[in-house]
Amino acid sequence: NAGVTQTPKFQVLKTGQSMTLQCAQDMNHEYMSWYRQDPGMGLRLIHYSVGAGITDQGEVPNGYNVSRSTTEDFPLRLLSAAPSQTSVYFCASRFGQGEAFFGQGTRLTVV
Amino acid sequence: GQQVMQIPQYQHVQEGEDFTTYCNSSTTLSNIQWYKQRPGGHPVFLIQLVKSGEVKKQKRLTFQFGEAKKNSSLHITATQTTDVGTYFCAGRGGATNKLIFGTGTLLAVQP
Repeated sequence: NAGVTQTPKFQVLKTGQSMTLQCAQDMNHEYMSWYRQDPGMGLRLIHYSVGAGITDQGEVPNGYNVSRSTTEDFPLRLLSAAPSQTSVYFCASRFGQGEAFFGQGTRLTVV
Repeated sequence: GQQVMQIPQYQHVQEGEDFTTYCNSSTTLSNIQWYKQRPGGHPVFLIQLVKSGEVKKQKRLTFQFGEAKKNSSLHITATQTTDVGTYFCAGRGGATNKLIFGTGTLLAVQP
C-alpha cells in the first residue's frame, strides 16, 4: 500500500498564479484533510472531508478550494497564489476517529 | 473556535535529561492524539487517549489526559538523540469531525 501520496513535493509559484495540490490515499479512509504548517503556528486545518461529495471549512480556508469526487482523491486548489500562502502543506486521511496518516508534504513558495 | 496550545514552543536538553510538553485546549476534547514529526518529515501517530485521567506508557514516553479532558501532557524520561523532533497534540472537540492540532513543541537533544 502506498498510504497517502501527495504531489508535487516542491513548487514555486508567482503571485496570482493558480495551482492544484494533489492528494490520494489507497486505504479507503472516509476522512481526508489538508493542513498547512508554518513556523510557530503548528498544523492548521484548511479544509476537510468526511466522505465523497462532502467538504467543510477548517481554521484557515480563505484562498483555497477543495472537492471530493471520489473516496481516494482530495485535491487542494489555490485560486490566486499570494506570498502569505508560502508554507508546507500536508494531506492526511483517517478511518473513523483513529490515527491520521500523513503524506510526505508539499513545500510551496509564492514569489 | 476550538484552539489547542502547547508549551513550551522549544526545549533544548542534554541527552539523558527528562522532557515534558503540555497541551491545553479551549474546549473539552472527546479524545487526544499525539504525533511526532522528525526534521524534514511528516507527522507520525504515537498514541490516542480517550478516557478522563487516562495514562498510557510507551517505553520512555508517558502520556496523560486531564480529568477535565481539556489538557494533556507527554513526558519523556532520559531523552536520547533519536527523540529529536516536533511533538504535536491533536484533538477533536465535542461532535465535530475536525482534528485540530496544537502549536507543537520542538525538542532538541544535545549528545
